[in-house]
Amino acid sequence: SQTIHQWPATLVQPVGSPLSLECTVEGTSNPNLYWYRQAAGRGLQLLFYSVGIGQISSEVPQNLSASRPQDRQFILSSKKLLLSDSGFYLCAWRVMGAGHYGYTFGSGTRLTVV
Amino acid sequence: GENVEQHPSTLSVQEGDSAVIKCTYSDSASNYFPWYKQELGKRPQLIIDIRSNVGEKKDQRIAVTLNKTAKHFSLHITETQPEDSAVYFCAATLVSGGYNKLIFGAGTRLAVHP
Repeated sequence: SQTIHQWPATLVQPVGSPLSLECTVEGTSNPNLYWYRQAAGRGLQLLFYSVGIGQISSEVPQNLSASRPQDRQFILSSKKLLLSDSGFYLCAWRVMGAGHYGYTFGSGTRLTVV
Repeated sequence: GENVEQHPSTLSVQEGDSAVIKCTYSDSASNYFPWYKQELGKRPQLIIDIRSNVGEKKDQRIAVTLNKTAKHFSLHITETQPEDSAVYFCAATLVSGGYNKLIFGAGTRLAVHP
């Protein structure tokens, strides 16, 4: 079956520290993958998307970067976290197949920068 | 780029009443419109979706309508129940340069009172 894994679930990091969030999918190949951020009480902002290994598109200029070292692995990183990086980070993949067009989200990482 | 506006930002109804949430989008090339429900602290879950070649779709107590000419779509929930209380997000998928992106509205916080 097709599943998406995201970790860690929660993270508290000091300002200026690095960040690495990982997302992996199972049960499919060559998925479209996405990173979204949700600030407290706000909507979902698209940060990055990837259509294949090494292919990353950035939606907004910011303190974050993304990488896709393997087909089913998507990583969100930062060299130095800012307070404004706090939020709920969600990885998503686009379900491909007959009659399926939606995005499925991972369980998310709640990041607090202190 | 695509812009999705969602109204109202908050909605309070009595149990058994209907709830309607409306969204507009800006890019006429958008072709897929999902709705997500997000309970507190959890990931968004797809509840219903509609493609641009369909005007209306229904699934038990929820329905979505799409007016491509006016570029707006709506979520209708009938016979609301307390467990319908959550934040609802509309979204529009834009295919640009071969890439599929899902752009979200800001969300509607629905409260259903017993």
